Amino acid sequence: EAQVTQNPRYLITVTGKKLTVTCSQNMNHEYMSWYRQDPGLGLRQIYYSMNVEVTDKGDVPEGYKVSRKEKRNFPLILESPSPNQTSLYFCASSLQGRDQPQHFGDGTRLSIL
Amino acid sequence: GQSLEQPSEVTAVEGAIVQINCTYQTSGFYGLSWYQQHDGGAPTFLSYNGLDGLEETGRFSSFLSRSDSYGYLLLQELQMKDSASYFCAVWGATNKLIFGTGTLLAVQP
Repeated sequence: EAQVTQNPRYLITVTGKKLTVTCSQNMNHEYMSWYRQDPGLGLRQIYYSMNVEVTDKGDVPEGYKVSRKEKRNFPLILESPSPNQTSLYFCASSLQGRDQPQHFGDGTRLSIL
Repeated sequence: GQSLEQPSEVTAVEGAIVQINCTYQTSGFYGLSWYQQHDGGAPTFLSYNGLDGLEETGRFSSFLSRSDSYGYLLLQELQMKDSASYFCAVWGATNKLIFGTGTLLAVQP
């Protein structure tokens, strides 16, 4: 089954404790991206990647890191999480960038105390 | 700056037709997409307009006017299951995808 898989689905952690949210897709997609969703603000893109070893900042990259060492994986790293990063996070992928439908994972709900 | 505007809420009755508008202001434009999101779930792709005009997919249609920086999603024969949030999204000059803040559609019996 074609899918985007995120882990964990839920996480409660404390300020400053490094965490990684994994994202994996099995569709051989080139484009992958991370979004955060907050009430009233819609989906905001954090980082995106056009292909292996190519990553670019989205609209809200501060406090986040990503890497794209393999085509299928695109982990989101919070080196020193803070409470303002409490949010619902989605990973998405598409065959290429523009005009391609984004396939979203089921989301990761992060709470940082 | 870059911004997309859409109504925050729309209410309609089962069987009716509803239109959700989206106006955008972006640096560069390569197309307008629409996504549906049920409460707490993953967004799912509905449609894409790269050129002016109407695209139809079953009960859903989407329209784009590049000269007016405007598009809309049209939902016909509304069903209860259409109650969800709907987001317009624009591919700008780079490979970023910019989403609107979403329209919550409530379908009433």
